[in-house]
Amino acid sequence: AQSVSQHNHHVILSEAASLELGCNYSYGGTVNLFWYVQYPGQHLQLLLKYFSGDPLVKGIKGFEAEFIKSKFSFNLRKPSVQWSDTAEYFCAVTSRGKSNYQLIWGAGTKLIIKP
Amino acid sequence: DTGVSQDPRHKITKRGQNVTFRCDPISEHNRLYWYRQTLGQGPEFLTYFQNEAQLEKSRLLSDRFSAERPKGSFSTLEIQRTEQGDSAMYLCASSLEGGGYTFGSGTRLTVV
Repeated sequence: AQSVSQHNHHVILSEAASLELGCNYSYGGTVNLFWYVQYPGQHLQLLLKYFSGDPLVKGIKGFEAEFIKSKFSFNLRKPSVQWSDTAEYFCAVTSRGKSNYQLIWGAGTKLIIKP
Repeated sequence: DTGVSQDPRHKITKRGQNVTFRCDPISEHNRLYWYRQTLGQGPEFLTYFQNEAQLEKSRLLSDRFSAERPKGSFSTLEIQRTEQGDSAMYLCASSLEGGGYTFGSGTRLTVV
């Protein structure tokens, strides 16, 4: 069965620090990969997605993620975080096969940026 | 607003009552999904529709849960005989086939 693992449940950084949030998935086939963000009191928003092509994907608000197929990883990065990046970040995966309707989610990483 | 709309935003109900939530997806999206999210967890898939057809419902949490999308546009999720364990955020999302989801703001259910 597919699963998604996010390594850190909580991350605390100072403004201007660099960010990397880990995401690993288990699935033997071809996948689509997503990062979503949930700001306090708001709904889930798509940050970026990878379907195919260049494994380095750029998203909104300066975020990027790199798909490393050999490591089954899709880590999220941002070179310099801001206080407004405080949120919960979710990695999600869907297969490209018959069950491609269902996103499998990680448990989320709560990111707190200290001003 | 052309996003996904959910109504109501909050619902408080007594245990044993029935509740119904509504979701209006993005009009061009043919797929509609229902998820449930509890604190500290990622969303949990419940069911999905492609147009008006409910193509997967085996993940609905029990037979007290049902969903409809009668005309392939809006959808409703009903929970009968609510229990305290049903308290959660219920999320609706829509997409084109193979596309990224757009989520609604969710309906927060509290069963007292």
